[in-house]
Amino acid sequence: DAGITQSPRYKITETGRQVTLMCHQTWSHSYMFWYRQDLGHGLRLIYYSAAADITDKGEVPDGYVVSRSKTENFPLTLESATRSQTSVYFCASSAPGGAGDTQYFGPGTRLTVL
Amino acid sequence: QQQVKQSPQSLIVQKGGISIINCAYENTAFDYFPWYQQFPGKGPALLIAIRPDVSEKKEGRFTISFNKSAKQFSLHIMDSQPGDSATYFCAAIRDRGYQKVTFGIGTKLQVIP
Repeated sequence: DAGITQSPRYKITETGRQVTLMCHQTWSHSYMFWYRQDLGHGLRLIYYSAAADITDKGEVPDGYVVSRSKTENFPLTLESATRSQTSVYFCASSAPGGAGDTQYFGPGTRLTVL
Repeated sequence: QQQVKQSPQSLIVQKGGISIINCAYENTAFDYFPWYQQFPGKGPALLIAIRPDVSEKKEGRFTISFNKSAKQFSLHIMDSQPGDSATYFCAAIRDRGYQKVTFGIGTKLQVIP
């Protein structure tokens, strides 16, 4: 099915562990984004990527690492998870130009760090 | 530093009533203002959007009003229905090539029968 998928949908981990959240899109959109959603903060941009091998920091990048070796994939890694990283993480993609200002969001990953 | 201020954070409206959510921005470089709708357990999805060269845009029961001089814009949901119960985010984009979106804090709307 075409679209944007995230895995896992739910993850429980412990403080200090490394966790990778996966994001895959089938539209060949050039831009991809990672957001975290927390009560009282809305959606905050963690990292974004304009194309394969091009990534840049967003508003809250500390403690996160991203890579984009293929256009369709944009994994987000928490190198050493902390309780403050408990959140719902959303991946999104967009294609500049035309109707491309729309960001298409995945279903989210709910991460709990104990 | 909240570049897009959204209010209220929660809203309860009677079925058939008008829901109004307000947003304000500071950065005059913003030139595209989308609204996203998010249902529980789902990702946000684009609802309606406006550019600052128009003062109003209507799609069905949803209307964006835009006041460029006041740097404010609002979403009006006419004849609100229980199915409209969701979280609504206003947003702003600096320019079409930039792509980074600045979101408001979100408004949780509950429409009661």
